[in-house]
Amino acid sequence: ELKVEQNPLFLSMQEGKNYTIYCNYSTTSDRLYWYRQDPGKSLESLFVLLSNGAVKQEGRLMASLDTKARLSTLHITAAVHDLSATYFCVSGGGADGLTFGKGTHLIIQP
Amino acid sequence: DAGVIQSPRHEVTEMGQEVTLRCKPISGHNSLFWYRQTMMRGLELLIYFNNNVPIDDSGMPEDRFSAKMPNASFSTLKIQPSEPRDSAVYFCASSGGLGELFFGEGSRLTVL
Repeated sequence: ELKVEQNPLFLSMQEGKNYTIYCNYSTTSDRLYWYRQDPGKSLESLFVLLSNGAVKQEGRLMASLDTKARLSTLHITAAVHDLSATYFCVSGGGADGLTFGKGTHLIIQP
Repeated sequence: DAGVIQSPRHEVTEMGQEVTLRCKPISGHNSLFWYRQTMMRGLELLIYFNNNVPIDDSGMPEDRFSAKMPNASFSTLKIQPSEPRDSAVYFCASSGGLGELFFGEGSRLTVL
């Protein structure tokens, strides 16, 4: 069974702190995507990681991919309230299709 | 580009009625996906098309659900007859070469 496991699933943190969300995958594809979903809204693409060692950064968010460990991370630097959302890790593409993680519900408190 | 366009954004209907959700993918994208999201079950893939052909419909709950993609710019998801347990947000998404999904705003369905 193809799996994408995110850790943690729930995270409450304070503004200004750093934290990392982990995504382990067992799919055969080495394409990895991160999405953000605000409550009551649609999903928005954040990062597309296509190769081992890929690192992408956007503002306070940085995503990386280690295909040998089958691990991706989403690092939050100096968190701000506006980053509160649910973050999904997605692996796959091609014949196996896409597999979503369950999502990490992130709450950032002032 | 206008992005993925879904309609209706909200639909309230009574059990037993037919529901049709519509989706216009991003021009040039060759894959289209229908997802359903609920609090209990999270995000579920219902069906996806590649070049207008259904590739995987294993997520379609039962025969009451059907999806079509008659051309590259239009897809429908139909529920007939609808039941209260079908209440959910239905998302359509399209993707191009990189496999990155672009989601529509969703159709929130309530079946009474």
